[in-house]
Amino acid sequence: DAGVTQSPTHLIKTRGQHVTLRCSPISGHKSVSWYQQVLGQGPQFIFQYYEKEERGRGNFPDRFSARQFPNYSSELNVNALLLGDSALYLCASRRGGGVVQYFGPGTRLTVL
Amino acid sequence: EDQVTQSPEALRLQEGESSSLNCSYTVSGLRGLFWYRQDPGKGPEFLFTLYSAGEEKEKERLKATLTKKESFLHITAPKPEDSATYLCAVQAGETSGSRLTFGEGTQLTVNP
Repeated sequence: DAGVTQSPTHLIKTRGQHVTLRCSPISGHKSVSWYQQVLGQGPQFIFQYYEKEERGRGNFPDRFSARQFPNYSSELNVNALLLGDSALYLCASRRGGGVVQYFGPGTRLTVL
Repeated sequence: EDQVTQSPEALRLQEGESSSLNCSYTVSGLRGLFWYRQDPGKGPEFLFTLYSAGEEKEKERLKATLTKKESFLHITAPKPEDSATYLCAVQAGETSGSRLTFGEGTQLTVNP
């Protein structure tokens, strides 16, 4: 079975722009979470979605938003990009009732 | 607030030289403690989940243990391919959903 997939792999944006990152969970997984990992640090929780509803939100500004689609794929949107948004953005999926989150390869975002 | 502290930040071993990585945690109501392995530029790869003090799990050269305050990842006779960053994370609290709180990681280098 395919794992979690994310697109694009890499992205370069300039300050003030908007970005959309995409994630497809493992088949059968209904929960998707987003994490931000700054170089040299552990991942930080941004959002969790389950059955298309937001179930948790981390300490991130309103510039960050997300949604989940009927096929359980998800998008993370970031508006008004700042230099500090440069990071590896990770998506993780989990089956309903399960506890283990399986991570995708990430999207490397660079803001210039 | 949930906190996870990993030590050491970096560890350099010779092939075959066994050692342990530490993960100390402070949470309200631990639901699970997770170990992940992360290679440079890639997403975290799931290794173990531990749920209660006294629990142990093994996989090849790795063994994870859990107490009420910390977890250890023991590496027996490591090989160069074990070189990676090892991340510890906790899932805590009934209202936290599936959010994971990560430590900063331990960067392990195994020299041949």
